[in-house]
Amino acid sequence: QVQLVQSGAEVKKPGASVKVSCKASGYTFTSYDINWVRQATGQGLEWMGWMNPNSGNTGYAQKFQGRVTMTRNTSISTAYMELSSLRSEDTAVYYCARSLAAAGSMDVWGKGTTVTVSS
Amino acid sequence: SYELTQPLSVSVALGQTARITCGGNNIGSKNVHWYQQKPGQAPVLVIYRDSNRPSGIPERFSGSNSGNTATLTISRAQAGDEADYYCQVWDSSTACEVFGTGTKVTVL
Repeated sequence: QVQLVQSGAEVKKPGASVKVSCKASGYTFTSYDINWVRQATGQGLEWMGWMNPNSGNTGYAQKFQGRVTMTRNTSISTAYMELSSLRSEDTAVYYCARSLAAAGSMDVWGKGTTVTVSS
Repeated sequence: SYELTQPLSVSVALGQTARITCGGNNIGSKNVHWYQQKPGQAPVLVIYRDSNRPSGIPERFSGSNSGNTATLTISRAQAGDEADYYCQVWDSSTACEVFGTGTKVTVL
């Protein structure tokens, strides 16, 4: 079945970086964009950006420009999201979700990766 | 930047109809998608492009979009419909996806 499997929980210190992976299976990885969405405890959904696994093209929310990098390894159908210069406010659950294209709906979601930033 | 406003909470009696609104400037010109999120779980797409249901989503879920308001309607509400609901659009002016503020639905 179609699924996105994310890497496990991370605990990082302020100023460090974190890299979360999202492995796709059950469909052609390069046919769908991958979005990253985060959610702090008790808060709403916050879109971080998207990546086209075929071209490698990316688009990031202005809030994260300069701090986020989205990449992929097509040989293992895996997308990555790296967030640098972590601060406590980055503590959240990070989701990957596929969409058919920009402006498309996100029809399959990973289960989420909890990232905790704490000294 | 484009903003989507949702009511913080909506309550509905068991078996009745709940309507969740999503307000945005000229949202009727955009494609609106709706997600259901239960505690501790990832969001699930329940309506795409204003009024289309993905396979597996009950017919009780429907959507509409016109003017400055999109609406998700849950008919014959069940206890299992209790969740947070989010609307989402693509803002072409900033090339960004935008989520609404979220609405907590309680079934009484």
